[in-house]
Amino acid sequence: QQQVKQSPQSLIVQKGGISIINCAYENTAFDYFPWYQQFPGKGPALLIAIRPDVSEKKEGRFTISFNKSAKQFSLHIMDSQPGDSATYFCAASNLNAGGTSYGKLTFGQGTILTVHP
Amino acid sequence: EAGVAQSPRYKIIEKRQSVAFWCNPISGHATLYWYQQILGQGPKLLIQFQNNGVVDDSQLPKDRFSAERLKGVDSTLKIQPAKLEDSAVYLCASSFSVGQRTGELFFGEGSRLTVL
Repeated sequence: QQQVKQSPQSLIVQKGGISIINCAYENTAFDYFPWYQQFPGKGPALLIAIRPDVSEKKEGRFTISFNKSAKQFSLHIMDSQPGDSATYFCAASNLNAGGTSYGKLTFGQGTILTVHP
Repeated sequence: EAGVAQSPRYKIIEKRQSVAFWCNPISGHATLYWYQQILGQGPKLLIQFQNNGVVDDSQLPKDRFSAERLKGVDSTLKIQPAKLEDSAVYLCASSFSVGQRTGELFFGEGSRLTVL
């Protein structure tokens, strides 16, 4: 019920191409879906996030698409650059829950993105 | 603004030894989390504090792991005795208080533990 499944495990894209990473969740109580970016030796950092009241959110080259009925969301990186090479994690939490659930992020398994120049 | 500080960055110990990790969250952040990130996997929550109280420790292996946040600021995570499968990066994160509900977690750079 708490799982977030992410695919693919790894992705290789040419510079200028589109990178697409997909996630699926089970818990319908989740209401906050962030994507985190992690470089080697660093902690994850928030990249972009979406709430379920919208189907898409765009920030620069990064777009989240959200399908509530399918319980799926995806990250699209347009015009991928070598500097985008990192591990990407989708996550989910329930911001409206009190007590033990608040703020707790459940992460996917991660996708290693490599962008070739 | 200073980020989440963690130490040590690296630690190598023998199995059955003990180790402690320290975390200082971003100033003013009431909520503090410890996550375990095993190589090739996503971070997994070990324990969540709200000020100095434990909110969720359901996934903390309490027979060997302990954590405290005595004054509601910095926190210590201890493993005693360590097992081989405890080799991982231990990430500390903090976030704003419940009332602000932004959802964003701010992570430190992590403490990498190798158990031999």
